[in-house]
Amino acid sequence: DQQVKQNSPSLSVQEGRISILNCDYTNSMFDYFLWYKKYPAEGPTFLISISSIKDKNEDGRFTVFLNKSAKHLSLHIVPSQPGDSAVYFCAASVRRGGADGLTFGKGTHLIIQP
Amino acid sequence: DSGVTQTPKHLITATGQRVTLRCSPRSGDLSVYWYQQSLDQGLQFLIQYYNGEERAKGNILERFSAQQFPDLHSELNLSSLELGDSALYFCASDRGSGETQYFGPGTRLLVL
Repeated sequence: DQQVKQNSPSLSVQEGRISILNCDYTNSMFDYFLWYKKYPAEGPTFLISISSIKDKNEDGRFTVFLNKSAKHLSLHIVPSQPGDSAVYFCAASVRRGGADGLTFGKGTHLIIQP
Repeated sequence: DSGVTQTPKHLITATGQRVTLRCSPRSGDLSVYWYQQSLDQGLQFLIQYYNGEERAKGNILERFSAQQFPDLHSELNLSSLELGDSALYFCASDRGSGETQYFGPGTRLLVL
């Protein structure tokens, strides 16, 4: 049973436009959500996170939106740049009671077209 | 550079063998996590150690074990290796209070 789902295996966006990556989750116990970016042959790199008590968090070109009632989060990248081409993973955890392992989606391959 | 180091980068071995993967967490981090990334399963949480003690277990096989030493580095031991154990193994660390986990570069294991 996949608790974190990224339904788009790939997404192609023109340079300069907005990239929107989506993620759905089923476990209502999740209270912390993260986005990681991954290049081939490297480890995941942390991008941005959001706690379940917020609905938006912004960091430079990256904004994460959380809709708890829909169990949905999205990552917006504006403007998209060629270096943003990578696989993006959505992850979730239950932070109450201490740290725990992250549950990952299967990733979305973002391709930025020049 | 996340500050998390993993050795070796690549490992090639045969079925039935045993290997040890090593991870050093970021300075100041007390918690170490191990993840497996295979082609069909994506990134899967295996096990977490906090300050030398096992704290959480995920989808870790009985043939696999881990430990965290007093200097906080961790080792993941994989035994009786099968072809299906070929994967990327990542280590991550954090302070242990549920902050963001930072990942190492991974060890690529190939079982022939």
